[in-house]
Amino acid sequence: QSALTQPASVSGSPGQSITIACTGTSSDVGSYNFVSWYQQNPGKAPKLIIYEGSKRPSGVSNRFSGSKSGNTASLTISGVQPEDEAAYYCCSYAGSFVFGGGTKLTVL
Amino acid sequence: QVQLQESGPGLVKPSETLSLTCTVSGGSVSSDSYYWNWIRQPPGKGLEWIGYIYYTGSTNYNPSLKSRVTISLDTSKNQFSLKLSSVTAADTAVYYCARDSTSTAAPDHWGQGTLVTVSS
Repeated sequence: QSALTQPASVSGSPGQSITIACTGTSSDVGSYNFVSWYQQNPGKAPKLIIYEGSKRPSGVSNRFSGSKSGNTASLTISGVQPEDEAAYYCCSYAGSFVFGGGTKLTVL
Repeated sequence: QVQLQESGPGLVKPSETLSLTCTVSGGSVSSDSYYWNWIRQPPGKGLEWIGYIYYTGSTNYNPSLKSRVTISLDTSKNQFSLKLSSVTAADTAVYYCARDSTSTAAPDHWGQGTLVTVSS
């Protein structure tokens, strides 16, 4: 059970769109639609922002969207805002949970 | 709104057993709709899933930790617990309890987390 692969960091200016990729294998991301994404601010618990690949929980901004192609899932933040600066983690469930290493988003 | 709260010692000696409890309010650990998870995060690092328990007592553990982990349920207190044996400094982390739905497989409610340090 290897961790999913995410870029360590991404950055963008306010109003830009950014995409974070999460690469797994045909045994996890590629086989199931149970991919979720979490936003984590320093010192806080992770917050679910995307589940089942592309669904948003109630109350989550529609600026956050998720998609999947093959073994890679992606999180897109449209019109990034300063308050979006945080760490983002992907997660896949394929009989057990595996997380990505996390991506630090910096809003320039 | 369901709330989860971790509790337990913040300092554990090497080779001993780490024990934490998660108290659930606003929801029931006896529900057949949820799994009850433990997830940890070493300082400055990423998230690692430890395992979960279902209301029946059925468990599922991370293979890399399976030999050292026990998760149990106390329905009378609406709590679930984690025991991690033979700890080392590598087990120093913030430990979170979290609930996930049987239909979505995505932990959606988390406790605030508790830091456990392994040190003599």
